Amino acid sequence: GAGVSQSPSNKVTEKGKDVELRCDPISGHTALYWYRQSLGQGLEFLIYFQGNSAPDKSGLPSDRFSAERTGGSVSTLTIQRTQQEDSAVYLCASSLRESPLHFGNGTRLTVT
Amino acid sequence: AQSVTQLDSQVPVFEEAPVELRCNYSSSVSVYLFWYVQYPNQGLQLLLKYLSGSTLVKGINGFEAEFNKSQTSFHLRKPSVHISDTAEYFCAVRGYNQGGKLIFGQGTELSVKP
Repeated sequence: GAGVSQSPSNKVTEKGKDVELRCDPISGHTALYWYRQSLGQGLEFLIYFQGNSAPDKSGLPSDRFSAERTGGSVSTLTIQRTQQEDSAVYLCASSLRESPLHFGNGTRLTVT
Repeated sequence: AQSVTQLDSQVPVFEEAPVELRCNYSSSVSVYLFWYVQYPNQGLQLLLKYLSGSTLVKGINGFEAEFNKSQTSFHLRKPSVHISDTAEYFCAVRGYNQGGKLIFGQGTELSVKP
């Protein structure tokens, strides 16, 4: 079946611009996660949605970062006023309740 | 809160040699433990997991890991590696009753040479 789909696969933006990254989870998966992968930094947790519960936003690095999940399915991660330190690969994952996470291939964001 | 430390950022080995990738964790509650692998230019995929029961767990591609509660470790091992095992390996932890959120280590880059 279809896996987690992320778009775009690559995004180059100028410093100060806003960007939106999209994630389509596996159909039926109730949980959705965003992570950031920077060189030498491992995977940094950003935000977690579970069903209709309030999201766990504890990993968002600043108020320039926000995410929403519409209809319990597609999610959009928005970064406002991008900075060079935001350059990274943004990974989305989904799972069925607390089962293991399935990851997408990520969006590589480059801020120039 | 949980944290994960992967003790080696890079591990170079020769083909057919054994390998151990080390992982230690910290948590105030009981945990589930995972290893994920990321092959070059690919997404992460689950290698193996410890949820309960036997502390020795076997995963895909001949890998295994042992949960040691007293040492708060979950080291990954393979008795004989192949060139195709070259990848980045991530250890992750999730606390009981804390939803599905995983906390990852910084990764270990395994490089297998002929």
